[in-house]
Amino acid sequence: DADVTQTPRNRITKTGKRIMLECSQTKGHDRMYWYRQDPGLGLRLIYYSFDVKDINKGEISDGYSVSRQAQAKFSLSLESAIPNQTALYFCATSDPSGGSYNEQFFGPGTRLTVL
Amino acid sequence: GEDVEQSLFLSVREGDSSVINCTYTDSSSTYLYWYKQEPGAGLQLLTYIFSNMDMKQDQRLTVLLNKKDKHLSLRIADTQTGDSAIYFCAESYSSASKIIFGSGTRLSIRP
Repeated sequence: DADVTQTPRNRITKTGKRIMLECSQTKGHDRMYWYRQDPGLGLRLIYYSFDVKDINKGEISDGYSVSRQAQAKFSLSLESAIPNQTALYFCATSDPSGGSYNEQFFGPGTRLTVL
Repeated sequence: GEDVEQSLFLSVREGDSSVINCTYTDSSSTYLYWYKQEPGAGLQLLTYIFSNMDMKQDQRLTVLLNKKDKHLSLRIADTQTGDSAIYFCAESYSSASKIIFGSGTRLSIRP
């Protein structure tokens, strides 16, 4: 079974709709992240959470919100989707106490299309 | 601010060596990484190097770090079709801080 799962894997929606992307992990990591990937732009950090009570904005948080419901769950919401939010979204986890090099573990991604 | 740059595309012949280059701006970066993204999948850590090292070798992979020029490279020897992927350079200041990713280099292999 995958350690980091994302649902849905693909989603097509319309402008103005509210969308939630879910991420779950069984790795027991405290830290979780949401990124978006656009061609030629690499990965950009949207939000991150270092534990259940901690939420931090990344470099492109406008238009997004997150909720850390439990250590294992971190969801990303688009309150009112717009076409330029069409992208591949990745969730990731890390545990700096478990290793000295801060490896991040990624989910398989959610491809979101906003029409 | 922090920035990591790499070229977007690289094409090599099967069996040749691939060299993917990266430059970064944060001289305080302690950890430098190479992640690999295969088609339809998330990123996976390929290798990493500490800033106090200048080279790391792991089977077909060689990482070279030039701290003075803030330049990182990944060499893949005897490139195979299974090496086709996007390779991301990344850096972080410490084991507890965020990781900054580059734009990714798409490596394609030609016969």
